[in-house]
Amino acid sequence: NAGVTQTPKFQVLKTGQSMTLQCAQDMNHEYMSWYRQDPGMGLRLIHYSVGAGITDQGEVPNGYNVSRSTTEDFPLRLLSAAPSQTSVYFCASSYRERLEQFFGPGTRLTVL
Amino acid sequence: DQQVKQNSPSLSVQEGRISILNCDYTNSMFDYFLWYKKYPAEGPTFLISISSIKDKNEDGRFTVFLNKSAKHLSLHIVPSQPGDSAVYFCAAHRDDKIIFGKGTRLHILP
Repeated sequence: NAGVTQTPKFQVLKTGQSMTLQCAQDMNHEYMSWYRQDPGMGLRLIHYSVGAGITDQGEVPNGYNVSRSTTEDFPLRLLSAAPSQTSVYFCASSYRERLEQFFGPGTRLTVL
Repeated sequence: DQQVKQNSPSLSVQEGRISILNCDYTNSMFDYFLWYKKYPAEGPTFLISISSIKDKNEDGRFTVFLNKSAKHLSLHIVPSQPGDSAVYFCAAHRDDKIIFGKGTRLHILP
């Protein structure tokens, strides 16, 4: 049981490049979410999903897209990276009726 | 507008004493509250939670108190241990969204 896995662990992008942060869980959790953590800002919700085929926006969705084609996977796409998207990104999952989320180890992204 | 506020960026407590971490919220529609602990270079891990219909929940050394009229919750850790040194996040749930505060860094002093 691997829990929540995220790839890559580290990534450096140039402004304007696109990339996808991968997130997968093997716990059959309905609920998945993406957060970013910035110094002094805590964890801010980007997008979330309550099940396959259903996604919705969180607090800071601009510049990010998500999709949920399977229960296991919840990728986060940056279409045109900006320096303001330099952050640590965490993916999390839980059962929908139990709100205690399991977090992945994070992806540290730097946009130059 | 910040809906979940942790107004103390850091807190230092002597080993063996009680640590009290505080959290305030503005949205009275939050129905569930959670505390997470985070070590550097790791993802947050769940500690303890409380439903809005309760005022106290206890799990071992950790107790969470909820005061709905004051829109305030607190996490008590007794006794504090060196491994408790970490960043603690308060979080609140409403309508499938879980919103986090900015965190409080707890230092346990020997």
